[in-house]
Amino acid sequence: DAKTTQPNSMESNEEEPVHLPCNHSTISGTDYIHWYRQLPSQGPEYVIHGLTSNVNNRMASLAIAEDRKSSTLILHRATLRDAAVYYCIRDNQGGKLIFGQGTELSVKP
Amino acid sequence: NAGVTQTPKFRILKIGQSMTLQCTQDMNHNYMYWYRQDPGMGLKLIYYSVGAGITDKGEVPNGYNVSRSTTEDFPLRLELAAPSQTSVYFCASSSQVIYTFGSGTRLTVV
Repeated sequence: DAKTTQPNSMESNEEEPVHLPCNHSTISGTDYIHWYRQLPSQGPEYVIHGLTSNVNNRMASLAIAEDRKSSTLILHRATLRDAAVYYCIRDNQGGKLIFGQGTELSVKP
Repeated sequence: NAGVTQTPKFRILKIGQSMTLQCTQDMNHNYMYWYRQDPGMGLKLIYYSVGAGITDKGEVPNGYNVSRSTTEDFPLRLELAAPSQTSVYFCASSSQVIYTFGSGTRLTVV
């Protein structure tokens, strides 16, 4: 099964860091890990992706476990605009992303 | 820089009617996709294309058809609309690294 496992929902306080976990215990060596998020009433948008090393960009950081069976998306300072459904996706480079249920993140002021 | 453009944004169809959802991208991406999203659920892949003239089925292709005559366009056809096809439809394109999604078409079949 190419899907990943994520908690259904998480809560965070504004201005605090958020760690969103993802389990992909059956990942193969060439699968990339992608994170997308979907704001209410919008299409998904790219957040970050990586293969083995930890990755940082202006939106977030991605921490990948050494055995690659899990990863964590880190939002360093959550804002109200970060409230969204976050999807962790394995990409086997076969030309398509298969989405799971995602984690619904709510941010409290 | 338009990205991925979908039309229409909203549509109500009667059972048995047909329609085409339009999708166009201006990023010269070879890969294009159609997903549907039912309320409270994740996206499910309907069809995808790896280039002009090449299409393949995704997770839920029944009741839909696609064509890819140009790099830019990837229309999705519903031939006999059914209530089970009530959903939000998203088109996407990718460079095989980053996927760009359209804003969606909300379809209701009554």
